Amino acid sequence: SQQGEEDPQALSIQEGENATMNCSYKTSINNLQWYRQNSGRGLVHLILIRSNEREKHSGRLRVTLDTSKKSSSLLITASRAADTASYFCATVGQGGTYKYIFGTGTRLKVLA
Amino acid sequence: DAGVTQSPTHLIKTRGQQVTLRCSPKSGHDTVSWYQQALGQGPQFIFQYYEEEERQRGNFPDRFSGHQFPNYSSELNVNALLLGDSALYLCASSLVGGLYNSPLHFGNGTRLTVT
Repeated sequence: SQQGEEDPQALSIQEGENATMNCSYKTSINNLQWYRQNSGRGLVHLILIRSNEREKHSGRLRVTLDTSKKSSSLLITASRAADTASYFCATVGQGGTYKYIFGTGTRLKVLA
Repeated sequence: DAGVTQSPTHLIKTRGQQVTLRCSPKSGHDTVSWYQQALGQGPQFIFQYYEEEERQRGNFPDRFSGHQFPNYSSELNVNALLLGDSALYLCASSLVGGLYNSPLHFGNGTRLTVT
């Protein structure tokens, strides 16, 4: 499969705690993006990190990228019940491709 | 500012039938991509349309075809439906080219069930 792998597959935490999820991919990339999907709905873009960047912040989100290990992590700080969703990483390869390759997703549940 | 809209939201078909799904992109977007998402999996790329042409295709058989209209809206057609085609079909639009640094804007999808 061309899909990336994410771990953990599922994560359950208390409100206020931090949530960390990881993504590994297989090919050289131009950029990596993270998306959120609420149950049965479309995906929402969260953040994009380019291959020459190592860390990026957006509000309560922090993304890191290690191209030598072909991996990325998403940290959500001070989680809220509304953060309950599935989170997917998506990579865009080099060489002029238009295809986004999505990972298998991490299902996050934040308990109030 | 309307986002990406897809129709219908749900559809039940029988094996061997044909189905057409529709998508209107976000205002200002000219590129439409289609993804298939099986239960518990990440979306898989079917194809992308730009300037009314299929620009790139994923690993899907010829039973899957599409079209983009001059107003940038798009259709996904699936012929000879199989049970394995049951999935959530997502349409995503993006800005010019949809290349490199263009985030995808997704619709809420069409849930297709093949019986």
